Amino acid sequence: GAGVSQSPSNKVTEKGKDVELRCDPISGHTALYWYRQRLGQGLEFLIYFQGNSAPDKSGLPSDRFSAERTGESVSTLTIQRTQQEDSAVYLCASSLVVGGGEQYFGPGTRLTVT
Amino acid sequence: AQSVTQPDIHITVSEGASLELRCNYSYGATPYLFWYVQSPGQGLQLLLKYFSGDTLVQGIKGFEAEFKRSQSSFNLRKPSVHWSDAAEYFCAVYGGSQGNLIFGKGTKLSVKP
Repeated sequence: GAGVSQSPSNKVTEKGKDVELRCDPISGHTALYWYRQRLGQGLEFLIYFQGNSAPDKSGLPSDRFSAERTGESVSTLTIQRTQQEDSAVYLCASSLVVGGGEQYFGPGTRLTVT
Repeated sequence: AQSVTQPDIHITVSEGASLELRCNYSYGATPYLFWYVQSPGQGLQLLLKYFSGDTLVQGIKGFEAEFKRSQSSFNLRKPSVHWSDAAEYFCAVYGGSQGNLIFGKGTKLSVKP
């Protein structure tokens, strides 16, 4: 079966532009997570979707970040007015259950803001 | 607050030598613990996990890890390292407020021929 997919794999954008990152979770996985990985750092949790529940946005680093998910399928992470500090790899993960279930990660989107 | 510490940023071992990567966690209850591996340009692949029961868990690629509650540790081991094991290894604990994993900063493993 297909794993978690993300697109684009690489994105280079100019400072101030908006970008949209996409994640396709494993079919049937109800939970979806976004993480950010800055160079030489561990993963920083951004936001989580569970079914049709409204997500808690408190983990997003600023109000320039937003995320949506359509039902239990595709999710998009949008960064408005990108800044150089947004440069990172953005990783998406999905899991079958909530509550400690193992998370399956996509290959990530490498975002470079120039 | 929950946290994960990986004390070693970078480790180099010779091919065929044994390996131990350290991980310490801070968590109030019985933790759910994970080790992931990330090869260059790749996403994270789950090596093994501990939920409960036997404190020595076996994973893929010949890796194992031992949960020691008294030491708050979950160290990853492999008896004989292969050149293809060169990658970055992340320890994680389940316990974020939204069901997220909390990751250590990773240990980069280099393998000498």
